[in-house]
Amino acid sequence: EIVLTQSPGTLSLSPGERATLSCRASQSVSSSYLAWYQQKPGQAPRLLIYGASSRATGIPDRFSGSGSGTDFTLTIRRLEPEDFAVYFCQQYGSSPPTFGGGTKVEIK
Amino acid sequence: QVQLQASGPGLVKPSGTLSLTCAVSGGSISSSNWWSWVRQPPGKGLEWIGEIYHSGSTNHNPSLKSRVTISVDKSKNQFSLKLSSVTAADTAVYYCASTYCTNGVCYRFFDYWGQGTLVTVSS
Repeated sequence: EIVLTQSPGTLSLSPGERATLSCRASQSVSSSYLAWYQQKPGQAPRLLIYGASSRATGIPDRFSGSGSGTDFTLTIRRLEPEDFAVYFCQQYGSSPPTFGGGTKVEIK
Repeated sequence: QVQLQASGPGLVKPSGTLSLTCAVSGGSISSSNWWSWVRQPPGKGLEWIGEIYHSGSTNHNPSLKSRVTISVDKSKNQFSLKLSSVTAADTAVYYCASTYCTNGVCYRFFDYWGQGTLVTVSS
């Protein structure tokens, strides 16, 4: 199965700053079938990005995804207070679908 | 908009069977969609358990081998998970989720999630 490694484990930033989160796959993710989710404490994950760069319905345009092959990035252009959360990547190009370990974006 | 609600016992004894149900509202379980279970041990990442189509076809994560049974009840608009021979390692929040489908094609990422239910394996 494809192993996804997210970095950094924790990102300490201030509101208004730019966040750059990385997701690296152990092998190429076919067709850029990579998704990103946001999870807040006590809540289910929320879909942000799919197909590496397509925003899900209702997701603000400060969230953007990029990458292909084995290296993917989630960028949050200007952090809003509600963006401080844990972010997971997930590949769905190979079975079983797998998730990364997560990056926590915390308030500095 | 589809809503999912997972429910079931919060405590299961070691070597027992974990049983959960996911009620689907705001849509039909017989729509062209796959329905999945995903779990998350406390403080850890997410693991896909398996999925079912309304026809009864299933797929599951090989890591869980033959311990997983997923079924569907179209009359109740719900699907269920059974995980046998549980150990403490199966302690997790269990989520039900719907697979994203568009134009008759489904992609195994998840657009709607239930709120999750914590299952603890302990004697």
